[in-house]
Parts: sequence; C-alpha cells; structure tokens
Amino acid sequence: DVKVTQSSRYLVKRTGEKVFLECVQDMDHENMFWYRQDPGLGLRLIYFSYDVKMKEKGDIPEGYSVSREKKERFSLILESASTNQTSMYLCASSLPQHNRPEFGNGTRLTVT
Amino acid sequence: KQEVTQIPAALSVPEGENLVLNCSFTDSAIYNLQWFRQDPGKGLTSLLLIQSSQREQTSGRLNASLDKSSGRSTLYIAASQPGDSATYLCVCLYGQNFVFGPGTRLSVLP
Repeated sequence: DVKVTQSSRYLVKRTGEKVFLECVQDMDHENMFWYRQDPGLGLRLIYFSYDVKMKEKGDIPEGYSVSREKKERFSLILESASTNQTSMYLCASSLPQHNRPEFGNGTRLTVT
Repeated sequence: KQEVTQIPAALSVPEGENLVLNCSFTDSAIYNLQWFRQDPGKGLTSLLLIQSSQREQTSGRLNASLDKSSGRSTLYIAASQPGDSATYLCVCLYGQNFVFGPGTRLSVLP
C-alpha cells in the first residue's frame, strides 16, 4: 500500500555538500510539498509544486531548491548543506479538488 | 494571518481515560480540517478529516468535531490505550494551503 515514499529515512552529510532528498508518490497527485519539522517550530513549508515543472516558494525557501520533472517525483535540493539544516524533512502530496494530503515517513537529515 | 494553536502542548493520562485534545484556528474560512497522528521519528498518519460542511467525524474510539463559528475543533479519544501515545496534529486546509498546529504530545500510561 505504498503511497508517498521518501528515499532515505536517515541521512548524514557534511557541511558544504550538495544533498538531494527524493519523494515519489503513486497516487497521480498534482500537488506535492516539502516541509521541515523542528522541535518547538512545528511543520514549516519549504517549497510546493502544483504541476510538473512548476514550483512555488513556501515560508522558508532560503538554502533550498526543488525539481519536479515528472508528476510523481518531487526532489528537494540543499545546494550547500549547513548545520542549521539538520532537521526532519517531510514530503506530502494531494489532489487539488480533495485537498487531503498524504505524507511520507520523513527523512531525518543530520549535517555535521 | 492564518494560525492554528493546540492545547494542551502535552498530556499524560492513565490507561482507560477518555480525553479531549483541542485545536483553535483564526481563519474560519477553512475547506477541511484534518487530524493526524505522528509517532516519534515517523511521518504523519491521517486519523480523521472533517469537511467544512460537517460537524463531526467518527472512527472507532476517535471522534472529531468542528465548530467553524468559534474557530475550534476537538479530538475525543475514548478508553485511551498505551498505543495511543503519539503527537496529534491539527491541520487546517485553506484552498491549496495547509496550516499546521504545533501538536499535542500524548502519553498514555499503562
């Protein structure tokens, strides 16, 4: 019953590395989202996409970029990882008309 | 600004108790309101979704209510079990935008 899959559960990277977080959904959803979750701050929207090759900045896009070349895949890119990007990253997808998001299991990223 | 708050931030109860989690939102023009459960280090699992035209939804021991006029939703858990221990998140759906509450961390003690 796979729905939203994030490629890595745990990831450890060094400062300055380029990091790719991958998210794939098998529900033919138009909308896809990337959030980060930090203690005391809750979930914050980084980027979202309403269609292939479309992207919109969320509340905290600085230091991140995204790619959506295919409908089912939404990638989050950390161009040059920094220690303040250590966090839990959650991907979600939804249909526009239903507005019911489905979440992946998250990727715990540690930048040392 | 659309904001969602949840009270209490944390709750610890003995097994078997009935309990209520509260969610408040500032913008009543919601499309849907959804309750999620999150286990430590995991993603979000949907529990109940209430559409704006509905007053409540039930699933097993869970009941969620929605009062748009007062900007409030409650999640009622009956006969709590240790397996209910998790963080519960309230999410308001506005069009294409989701606004998350900070969550209530629930511990059910055996």
